[in-house]
Amino acid sequence: GDSVTQTEGPVTLSEGTSLTVNCSYETKQYPTLFWYVQYPGEGPQLLFKVPKANEKGSSRGFEATYNKEATSFHLQKASVQESDSAVYYCALSERPSSSFSKLVFGQGTSLSVVP
Amino acid sequence: EAAVTQSPRSKVAVTGGKVTLSCHQTNNHDYMYWYRQDTGHGLRLIHYSYVADSTEKGDIPDGYKASRPSQENFSLILELASLSQTAVYFCASSWDNYEQYFGPGTRLTVL
Repeated sequence: GDSVTQTEGPVTLSEGTSLTVNCSYETKQYPTLFWYVQYPGEGPQLLFKVPKANEKGSSRGFEATYNKEATSFHLQKASVQESDSAVYYCALSERPSSSFSKLVFGQGTSLSVVP
Repeated sequence: EAAVTQSPRSKVAVTGGKVTLSCHQTNNHDYMYWYRQDTGHGLRLIHYSYVADSTEKGDIPDGYKASRPSQENFSLILELASLSQTAVYFCASSWDNYEQYFGPGTRLTVL
């Protein structure tokens, strides 16, 4: 089946520094790619999604480009803030049947931003 | 505001006991899901449903049952809880089975 692999965590950064969370995926299909963010004590929430190859998604200063050739979808932010401390999940949509599509998640990357 | 709620938020259960986790959504979504979250494994799909009174197995259904009595409600049932089922469980809903809206989670500890 499909799979998603992310940067191993935890990751600790100082405020104002840049962030890259690597995400690589394996699939024989043409999926939509997602980044979800999970803040402490909450469920995951969608950060953004990109349905097409070579397009970029962005939200709250985060961005990622769907690179079909490299099968990658790396999350980047130029300058992180303490409020960005969370767990970040990369995911892809897999269609095991014509009537159902499900999400396949990576293992998550925990980010802590310190002052 | 549309929402997914879960109850209880945390639970301690004994090995061999029965556990029921409940999920309620006001999103008017057809699709509902149950995931478990474990460190190092991310989120793994246990069961899902796309219509009331029907459930389907996900990737790791062994040891779990699901029930969808109405569009709004989706339960996860552990008939004989085991130590290995200690985890955080998330319910989610979706209208297009792409973007999913998650509840706050239930932390289950089996002793």
